Amino acid sequence: GQNIDQPTEMTATEGAIVQINCTYQTSGFNGLFWYQQHAGEAPTFLSYNVLDGLEEKGRFSSFLSRSKGYSYLLLKELQMKDSASYLCAVSANTGFQKLVFGTGTRLLVSP
Amino acid sequence: GAVVSQHPSWVICKSGTSVKIECRSLDFQATTMFWYRQFPKQSLMLMATSNEGSKATYEQGVEKDKFLINHASLTLSTLTVTSAHPEDSSFYICSARDGRLGVFGQGTRLTVV
Repeated sequence: GQNIDQPTEMTATEGAIVQINCTYQTSGFNGLFWYQQHAGEAPTFLSYNVLDGLEEKGRFSSFLSRSKGYSYLLLKELQMKDSASYLCAVSANTGFQKLVFGTGTRLLVSP
Repeated sequence: GAVVSQHPSWVICKSGTSVKIECRSLDFQATTMFWYRQFPKQSLMLMATSNEGSKATYEQGVEKDKFLINHASLTLSTLTVTSAHPEDSSFYICSARDGRLGVFGQGTRLTVV
């Protein structure tokens, strides 16, 4: 089975940097995804890591360490619109490569 | 980019009735689609994997006779919530893999009264 953990809630101020951690245990790891979800909407793709290291995409970066079962999403220059839930999801290469989601982290950005 | 369309966006139904939710991949073929359920302030919980031309694979604890899944073509999967009860009220979201990327539908908010 798979076990994915994230902090439940985080708060930060506009313009700051925040790091959202995700730890996972899975068999047959085939990649880790980060999604953003605003209330009442479907998740939108942010990043994908399959190899160790840092992937940078504008204000968002994601890091993966497969040996430690650990990832983080780094958000820079926070904006009010970044207030949302951030979901860590792991893909396994067993079965149909389904995505299993972590508990999600609700981020509140204040002025 | 790849688009997954889900319909309806919201539905209100009476307790005991059945509701069908459609999930379509608009510009790519999806032999596999996934159905998730999300309760307020919680993450997405995988319910089942929908496979074109064969039976769906359900996650542990999900009643296959209550949540009927049909994947009749490479672009359409349907989820039918049978004999719905208020506790089935939730946000249902489908997803399809376009290569490595999971693309999500808009979601369906189901309210059972």
